[in-house]
Amino acid sequence: GAVVSQHPSWVICKSGTSVKIECRSLDFQATTMFWYRQFPKQSLMLMATSNEGSKATYEQGVEKDKFLINHASLTLSTLTVTSAHPEDSSFYICSAPAGGSNYGYTFGSGTRLTVV
Amino acid sequence: GNSVTQMEGPVTLSEEAFLTINCTYTATGYPSLFWYVQYPGEGLQLLLKATKADDKGSNKGFEATYRKETTSFHLEKGSVQVSDSAVYFCALLAGANSKLTFGKGITLSVRP
Repeated sequence: GAVVSQHPSWVICKSGTSVKIECRSLDFQATTMFWYRQFPKQSLMLMATSNEGSKATYEQGVEKDKFLINHASLTLSTLTVTSAHPEDSSFYICSAPAGGSNYGYTFGSGTRLTVV
Repeated sequence: GNSVTQMEGPVTLSEEAFLTINCTYTATGYPSLFWYVQYPGEGLQLLLKATKADDKGSNKGFEATYRKETTSFHLEKGSVQVSDSAVYFCALLAGANSKLTFGKGITLSVRP
């Protein structure tokens, strides 16, 4: 089945530095990738939708200059958290549609970001 | 707009107990319905799905039936195991170009 590989699975960084998270579709082409953020014991919050070859669409309240999304190829989308602060610590998950509305989405394994 | 409502949690059960997790939805058109499971520290995995009314999705002993008349997609399992401890999300997708809409999720803990 469709697989999305997400790296790194966890990262610790210092305040003020930037962190890049990668999501790759391994056996299918992902023209769209969704990026979510999840706080402890809460549901997923959609941050943005990336589309291959065009600008990402951000949800209301999400800072596009802080969360840079690039979708340069049909198999790779990246999320860069710029100038990270402790409040950016969270669990970030990517997902891609896998075969139309009958199949839902395939999710990456998530990245635990801790900013110290 | 589309929405998914899940029962409040958390839920704690003893091993081999019967499980029901309620899920109701509001959507335009004819959505596809999903249950996802998230084990600690991991991403979401598709547990089961149903794409039209009266369809029953099933996997790993879990079942859910798409009930259009009650706009529900309740998750059931006859005998839970400790390994079923996880967070369960109900979700819907209404149309090929729409976004997945999630419920809030519910944490299930199963005691030995």
